[in-house]
Amino acid sequence: DAGVIQSPRHEVTEMGQEVTLRCKPISGHDYLFWYRQTMMRGLELLIYFNNNVPIDDSGMPEDRFSAKMPNASFSTLKIQPSEPRDSAVYFCASSLPPAGHSGANVLTFGAGSRLTVL
Amino acid sequence: AQSVSQHNHHVILSEAASLELGCNYSYGGTVNLFWYVQYPGQHLQLLLKYFSGDPLVKGIKGFEAEFIKSKFSFNLRKPSVQWSDTAEYFCAVVSYNTDKLIFGTGTRLQVFP
Repeated sequence: DAGVIQSPRHEVTEMGQEVTLRCKPISGHDYLFWYRQTMMRGLELLIYFNNNVPIDDSGMPEDRFSAKMPNASFSTLKIQPSEPRDSAVYFCASSLPPAGHSGANVLTFGAGSRLTVL
Repeated sequence: AQSVSQHNHHVILSEAASLELGCNYSYGGTVNLFWYVQYPGQHLQLLLKYFSGDPLVKGIKGFEAEFIKSKFSFNLRKPSVQWSDTAEYFCAVVSYNTDKLIFGTGTRLQVFP
């Protein structure tokens, strides 16, 4: 398995532009998570999905952020319009059910998408 | 709401020194606990995890962590650090009534030769 695949790896855009980040989870993982990493706030959970359904989006900072998972192998995180304060590394991760006794239930992270909004 | 606190934001050590990074969480129920590591320029990798059983957990590269339920703590330790341990370390917790893995703000470790 190629692991969790994110694209693009780097994105530089201007304020006001739309940004779309993409994620392909590990096949068979029915949980998908989007995190944002910044120096000031560390790793913040934005939203997570179970079986393609958004379960908790309380971490999404504003209405400018939206996430979709149209099928089990693809998810997008969209920022429209983007602002300089959105600059961060956005990580996608996937897993089997994270809570429980099974040693398999560990999040596997993608390499991240580094977003710079000028 | 559950939260995770890592009190050491930046730790600087010389090689062969001992390491202990603090992690406390706030949740009264059953939890699973994790330490992840992020080496410079790389993505997060699992260092070790606690699900149940022996509260002293051994992970990769000589790291271990001890779950002390009464103190809501899961401190990470290594008896002798190496320069290659330079990285950022994240403690994380997920409770049984939710599937949200919550991370601490991370501890940046620098090890000098």
